[in-house]
Amino acid sequence: DAKTTQPTSMDCAEGRAANLPCNHSTISGNEYVYWYRQIHSQGPQYIIHGLKNNETNEMASLIITEDRKSSTLILPHATLRDTAVYYCIVVYVSGAGSYQLTFGKGTKLSVIP
Amino acid sequence: DAGVIQSPRHEVTEMGQEVTLRCKPISGHDYLFWYRQTMMRGLELLIYFNNNVPIDDSGMPEDRFSAKMPNASFSTLKIQPSEPRDSAVYFCASSWRGKNTEAFFGQGTRLTVV
Repeated sequence: DAKTTQPTSMDCAEGRAANLPCNHSTISGNEYVYWYRQIHSQGPQYIIHGLKNNETNEMASLIITEDRKSSTLILPHATLRDTAVYYCIVVYVSGAGSYQLTFGKGTKLSVIP
Repeated sequence: DAGVIQSPRHEVTEMGQEVTLRCKPISGHDYLFWYRQTMMRGLELLIYFNNNVPIDDSGMPEDRFSAKMPNASFSTLKIQPSEPRDSAVYFCASSWRGKNTEAFFGQGTRLTVV
């Protein structure tokens, strides 16, 4: 079980912000929210992750609601190269070595010229 | 660092043959994951290792599939005998058990069983 729910697909105009939502209503207090994307048939690529605070890096911003039951990935100025499948994942690494990295179906983002 | 290296990039084999996929993780990483991706089933986690020890192989589809990690710098995924339904892209990924760091994926091996 991926433990997350995402829309199947979204469109975004080139140059505009892309806001990708994710629901993770059963997330536990020690689980992180990770985002990856997969461009065409390449291997998935890490984007960003967070626990409860909002995060920003050179690729994107991650907004996590106060109750941690949902989050939004923001690509501030989408380009055609951002067309990809975006995966939202809940991750916990236990002291015993357990580290389930399970992917759901993701959101197919199409950036339109 | 060259990243996670998988070989071969493409493999075409006949049904019934043995297939071995190879993966070299990033140096210093202590987790290694094997995935299979198809249009129908998406990206499936097959098995993962921590410090060369298999932790969870519940995703391995059947006994025809086996994976080993003889040392920290090498892992194999073997299918014997192969079947047409095994055709897929197989990805290997590695990660370090620091404070929830990200996983790095290889470019994948596209397997076609005819």
